[in-house]
Amino acid sequence: AQKITQTQPGMFVQEKEAVTLDCTYDTSDQSYGLFWYKQPSSGEMIFLIYQGSYDEQNATEGRYSLNFQKARKSANLVISASQLGDSAMYFCAMREDSGSARQLTFGSGTQLTVLP
Amino acid sequence: KAGVTQTPRYLIKTRGQQVTLSCSPISGHRSVSWYQQTPGQGLQFLFEYFSETQRNKGNFPGRFSGRQFSNSRSEMNVSTLELGDSALYLCASSLDIGFFNEQFFGPGTRLTVL
Repeated sequence: AQKITQTQPGMFVQEKEAVTLDCTYDTSDQSYGLFWYKQPSSGEMIFLIYQGSYDEQNATEGRYSLNFQKARKSANLVISASQLGDSAMYFCAMREDSGSARQLTFGSGTQLTVLP
Repeated sequence: KAGVTQTPRYLIKTRGQQVTLSCSPISGHRSVSWYQQTPGQGLQFLFEYFSETQRNKGNFPGRFSGRQFSNSRSEMNVSTLELGDSALYLCASSLDIGFFNEQFFGPGTRLTVL
C-alpha cells in the first residue's frame, strides 16, 4: 500500500487565490511527522512546513498552512494568496518513528501552476 | 551560511561505467541522506549516514553504495551503471538523526546513462 498518496497530478490556481493540495498517508505508528516540500524546475527541494502527529494545532508558516485531520489521515497543504513564483511541484512526505522506517517517504507530487 | 552543495551538477556516463557523486552538507550538520528521483518511481530513499556510519538503507541493489567522511561530507557510488540509473540524485543534510530534523536539500546531480 502507498504510504503517501497525492491524488492531484496537476492543479491550476488564479494568482492571489488560495489553493489546497491534498495528501493522505498510511501508517500504524503513533509517532510520525508530515512534511511538505516544493520543487521548482531547478530541481532543489525546498522545505515548506512540518506537522507532528502529536501536534494539536495545525502548522502554519507564512502563506502556508497544513490542514491536519488525524482521524482521516490527511495532511493537506493550503497556500493562501498564490503568487506566480508558487508554480512548482509539491511533495508531501512522512517520517515514521519506528526502527528502520525513519527516512522520508514521498508522495508522487502535485504540479501547481499559478495563472496570472 | 552556505547550503548543501552537490558536485557535479550534471554527468553523462555509459552503461557499465561507475560514477561517484559528492555532497557537502551545511556546516554543522552531521546527517546526510541520499535520494533518487525518476519520473517513473518518484523520490526514493537510498541511504542515510551519520557520524560516518550508515544508519538506514533503502531498497536498492548493492551497486549503490556510499560513505561519509569525518567532516560529514558524503559520497555515493554507483557501479556497473544501467540505463535505469538515469535520475536526479538529491542529497539532504540535517543537524542530527533525531526524529524531527528538517532536511535541507542540495540542487541535485543529474545523471544520464547512455
